[in-house]
Amino acid sequence: DTAVSQTPKYLVTQMGNDKSIKCEQNLGHDTMYWYKQDSKKFLKIMFSYNNKELIINETVPNRFSPKSPDKAHLNLHINSLELGDSAVYFCASSQSGSADTQYFGPGTRLTVL
Amino acid sequence: GQQLNQSPQSMFIQEGEDVSMNCTSSSIFNTWLWYKQDPGEGPVLLIALYKAGELTSNGRLTAQFGITRKDSFLNISASIPSDVGIYFCAGSTGTASKLTFGTGTRLQVTL
Repeated sequence: DTAVSQTPKYLVTQMGNDKSIKCEQNLGHDTMYWYKQDSKKFLKIMFSYNNKELIINETVPNRFSPKSPDKAHLNLHINSLELGDSAVYFCASSQSGSADTQYFGPGTRLTVL
Repeated sequence: GQQLNQSPQSMFIQEGEDVSMNCTSSSIFNTWLWYKQDPGEGPVLLIALYKAGELTSNGRLTAQFGITRKDSFLNISASIPSDVGIYFCAGSTGTASKLTFGTGTRLQVTL
């Protein structure tokens, strides 16, 4: 069974479109994250939710809006996509008692044309 | 903001050789982690370190939490082809579950 899953795996879209990436974890964790990995492989946290509440919100454009319908899901919606949004987006989860050991999903490669 | 610098940036080694890489920070962390990322996959946790000076092993991997709490080291002994990938260090101050990742060390192993 996949611990942290993301859909889609690949996403190719035009500039200006709106798209969503979904994430689900079956580990029973209560904290979930979104990271962005750029072309140089640099990983940077974007958002974190604990028990459906936003606890980390890094300097991310307002076009990015995370939504957590329940503890097992954290979706990322992106409005008005720009070329610079092209990257690999990783979802991760952890248990708040051991917040430092995060389990990552396989990533979603977003390409904006 | 905090930055974690890893060195070397990349390494090409022969199978069977030992590998050393390090990670340095401009500020103190309470936890150091080492992850490995295979192509097309997400990072996978290798070793977690929680105390300054701690030395922890996981098979052929050994990592150390620096005494100053501003650095960490990872050693891989007797490298094999499946060790190929990008190795990331990550640090946490324990605040709001936030991890800061290093710049990565890309490892290539030749036969």
